[in-house]
Parts: sequence; C-alpha cells; structure tokens
Amino acid sequence: DTGVSQDPRHKITKRGQNVTFRCDPISEHNRLYWYRQTLGQGPEFLTYFQNEAQLEKSRLLSDRFSAERPKGSFSTLEIQRTEQGDSAMYLCASSVGQSSYEQYFGPGTRLTVT
Amino acid sequence: GENVEQHPSTLSVQEGDSAVIKCTYSDSASNYFPWYKQELGKGPQLIIDIRSNVGEKKDQRIAVTLNKTAKHFSLHITETQPEDSAVYFCAATLSGSARQLTFGSGTQLTVLP
Repeated sequence: DTGVSQDPRHKITKRGQNVTFRCDPISEHNRLYWYRQTLGQGPEFLTYFQNEAQLEKSRLLSDRFSAERPKGSFSTLEIQRTEQGDSAMYLCASSVGQSSYEQYFGPGTRLTVT
Repeated sequence: GENVEQHPSTLSVQEGDSAVIKCTYSDSASNYFPWYKQELGKGPQLIIDIRSNVGEKKDQRIAVTLNKTAKHFSLHITETQPEDSAVYFCAATLSGSARQLTFGSGTQLTVLP
C-alpha cells in the first residue's frame, strides 16, 4: 500500500492560464474525492467519483473547475482561466467504498496563481 | 448542509499533559466522525474515528468521545509528546451516497518540551 499520490506537489502559474492536477488513489479504492484547503481552514469538498462515475459535482466552485476519472483509477482536476482566488492546496482522498467510511488523503498540490 | 464548529483554535500544553479538542455538528443525521492530524506541508492523516452507534473509542494515547444528544464529539490526547504538535481537524459526514466530509476549522496544538 503506497498511499495516495498527487502530482505536481507545487504549481505556480500566471492568472488566466489553465492547470491540471493528477491524483493516484490507493490501489482498489473505488471512491475518490477532491477537496480544496485554503490557509488556516479545513478542507472543503469539491467533487467525488465512484469508479469512473462522477456522482457529485455540485460543489465544484465554478464552471472553470472540472474533474475526470476516465478508467476508474487515477483522476485529474483541471482549472481553466485561473484567478488569484484559486490559490490553495488541492487535496485528493480515496476510500474503499461500500461499508467503509475512512478517507485517506494524499500530500496535496499547492497552487499559487500570480 | 452540515456545519462543524471546532474549538479551541490554538492550544498549548506542557509535554506529558493532556489535550482536549471539541467539535459540534449541526445535522443529527451525521453518523461518522473522523479526526485528522495535519503537519506542515502534508496532507491530513486519519488518526482515529468513531461511528454514531459508539460512545467512545480509544487507541493508545488517543481517544474520541461522542455525545449524539448534544451533537458534539471530542478528541483526547494523553501524555502528550512534542511530535503531537500539529493542526488537528474534526469532521463529520452523513450516511448518503457521497459521504463527503465536512471539516472543522482546525486546532493548532503545540506541545512544549
């Protein structure tokens, strides 16, 4: 069990650029979650997948945010036309699913928009 | 939706003393309450959790208590050590299909040697 991994760990981009982050969940974890964490706050839920199906996306912050999990394994989170307010830590978590509630987080991707 | 409040926001204790962090939640349908420890530059680490059908759970120096009637739950750390210094988050989740976590705002725990 290698844990949840995220790439890149840090991303600096200019306002208006698009960015994409990747998350690799723990092997055989069916559920995958994306959260955003701003400085001094707890993580805030964005979206969730069960296998390849995105079952909850109403909490994505705007239509500039989108996520995919095409083969039910890794996932990507894309932010288009980045704004300075998008600067935050983007966290991915995975869970076995079914009767298990435990979510295990990756190290996060720190985004800085200049 | 669910709302979780956490206090205190900062807590300093002497090494060897106990630390207690408290959280309240708003939705009586919430049924799972995890606690996470987050060190600087790292993702949250699950340290202990409790389901709504249990009143208390203990794992070595860490324990969590749940009062469903009052809708609050607490983290207790005994015999604190400097490596316990971190930000601790409580969270709650509903039993619906998504099971997304709603987090408190965190407690910065500092254990003084």
